[in-house]
Amino acid sequence: GENVEQHPSTLSVQEGDSAVIKCTYSDSASNYFPWYKQELGKGPQLIIDIRSNVGEKKDQRIAVTLNKTAKHFSLHITETQPEDSAVYFCAASGSGGYQKVTFGTGTKLQVIP
Amino acid sequence: GAVVSQHPSRVICKSGTSVKIECRSLDFQATTMFWYRQFPKQSLMLMATSNEGSKATYEQGVEKDKFLINHASLTLSTLTVTSAHPEDSSFYICSAYTGGSYNEQFFGPGTRLTVL
Repeated sequence: GENVEQHPSTLSVQEGDSAVIKCTYSDSASNYFPWYKQELGKGPQLIIDIRSNVGEKKDQRIAVTLNKTAKHFSLHITETQPEDSAVYFCAASGSGGYQKVTFGTGTKLQVIP
Repeated sequence: GAVVSQHPSRVICKSGTSVKIECRSLDFQATTMFWYRQFPKQSLMLMATSNEGSKATYEQGVEKDKFLINHASLTLSTLTVTSAHPEDSSFYICSAYTGGSYNEQFFGPGTRLTVL
């Protein structure tokens, strides 16, 4: 089955700096890679996703890159703000109807004002 | 985005009792819903896949007789934790598949279960 590894487990940045979270996956058949933000006591919220036919996607301060050859993908948050503090999960999934989503282990991001 | 709700948000029960958690897709029909369990400071672990009108598919190691899943309609799935014990205390989260060509799932807000 799919195995997703995520690094780092914790990340502290100064407000305004950039944050980068990296993930690797094992199943070359995976072609959908969502990122979720989870605040304390709440469910995960989809913040951005990328599909295998795209190498990079950007949405305001958030960007995701995908390298299918190397089987890794990354989340980039620029100009971080205190409200970006949360746990971020990467995930990988196949396509063609519903497929199991395999989550990474999570990264706790702390943005220091 | 698609909205998924869960009820209750928090429940405390005595050991040996059963607890039912509801998951609803509010603005779309979900043929497939997923149930996850999350222990403190850990990732989400898939428990089962729930398909409308058919039996749920459980992940390895998840007791189907303990975690009863019913998906009676396209907007509602329920998880019943039977004969709950303190080790069942956890954060239970559902998600719903929107039916797109990629596996886009939207998550509910979660239910905190505490078994005394």
